[in-house]
Amino acid sequence: GAGVSQSPSNKVTEKGKDVELRCDPISGHTALYWYRQSLGQGLEFLIYFQGNSAPDKSGLPSDRFSAERTGGSVSTLTIQRTQQEDSAVYLCASSSRTSDWNEQFFGPGTRLTVL
Amino acid sequence: SQQGEEDPQALSIQEGENATMNCSYKTSINNLQWYRQNSGRGLVHLILIRSNEREKHSGRLRVTLDTSKKSSSLLITASRAADTASYFCATGQGAQKLVFGQGTRLTINP
Repeated sequence: GAGVSQSPSNKVTEKGKDVELRCDPISGHTALYWYRQSLGQGLEFLIYFQGNSAPDKSGLPSDRFSAERTGGSVSTLTIQRTQQEDSAVYLCASSSRTSDWNEQFFGPGTRLTVL
Repeated sequence: SQQGEEDPQALSIQEGENATMNCSYKTSINNLQWYRQNSGRGLVHLILIRSNEREKHSGRLRVTLDTSKKSSSLLITASRAADTASYFCATGQGAQKLVFGQGTRLTINP
């Protein structure tokens, strides 16, 4: 595909359940980012992967949140024991050296609703 | 915490008018970017201005940057209904996270 894809597009879950959100970055993009956007708010950085370097996890709000990136491509964001305040749109982005890293290409997001 | 703060939070104008949105930030930057978001989903990159630039144009978009005041403005000329969206400024340092403002919600009335 030409762009960043995310799945599922919508996820409704019950409080306390675990969820996994998937991101497929643009092929060849070595930098991958996860952001969270609560209703009517700006984007909040969660985690950043760059090649084989250790990820920047400084934005993860709690130890219930984790992410991995397998094979330098697909990434999964996992939220354990979901809480209602986790409800938000989770956006993934990727970038590459050819755009001087600066332009980030965003996926359509996953809207998570925790009941 | 959010570095950028957009002003106004919401703007409603008539089609054909110009729309101006402002962004202020706190720390030193090497570039500032503007993104558009439709319907609360994916963001689209509009324009990037580097810290050594003062003004940049792209089609109907004009961005200015004043590093002494730590502020930027985005001007959309001859607005169209399709410009209705939320607009965010974001600051970054190369291959690192972007720090976004809260956004300006722009409505273009036909």
